[in-house]
Amino acid sequence: GAGVSQSPSNKVTEKGKDVELRCDPISGHTALYWYRQSLGQGLEFLIYFQGNSAPDKSGLPSDRFSAERTGGSVSTLTIQRTQQEDSAVYLCASSIGAYYGYTFGSGTRLTVV
Amino acid sequence: GQNIDQPTEMTATEGAIVQINCTYQTSGFNGLFWYQQHAGEAPTFLSYNVLDGLEEKGRFSSFLSRSKGYSYLLLKELQMKDSASYLCAFDNTDKLIFGTGTRLQVFP
Repeated sequence: GAGVSQSPSNKVTEKGKDVELRCDPISGHTALYWYRQSLGQGLEFLIYFQGNSAPDKSGLPSDRFSAERTGGSVSTLTIQRTQQEDSAVYLCASSIGAYYGYTFGSGTRLTVV
Repeated sequence: GQNIDQPTEMTATEGAIVQINCTYQTSGFNGLFWYQQHAGEAPTFLSYNVLDGLEEKGRFSSFLSRSKGYSYLLLKELQMKDSASYLCAFDNTDKLIFGTGTRLQVFP
């Protein structure tokens, strides 16, 4: 597609439930990133995929968070047993290399009640 | 360790010039980026500096000094639509590490 697509745009879930967030990057972009942004805060790096290489998971805050990228394209971020502190906007970005800048999706606003 | 610092908020008047500073510390550095983010929207790419000096792009310019770990974004002829957050980020091993952003308010 023309841009990075994320779904759902909004998600309200009960504490303790699992959620899946989806990202469809720009076709041909080999790099895919997940960030989260809490209210009034900067972007916190979560995970980075580059081609077929092992992902850089150094930013995942706990083992409740995991992500996969199938076929070098679509990515899913899964949060298990959600907690209220997981409430944030989760942003996905893709790039042909950081040098060229990232294109961000519109994000998924997650609210854990 | 890694650290990136920028002012939290700034205000300016329409038509004026504003400079947003960013300082950083990192062991791995592949370049410095600036992004603009309007409230409720995704960040959009503004500029990239990998060498020392000034890069000019229309009303926006960005400067980098690698030896000082310092960058600034210069916005000229401010317009109301420039009211947004401006995020400084450095490229560390192919991923961007962002600052908390500077919220700029432009007044008439």
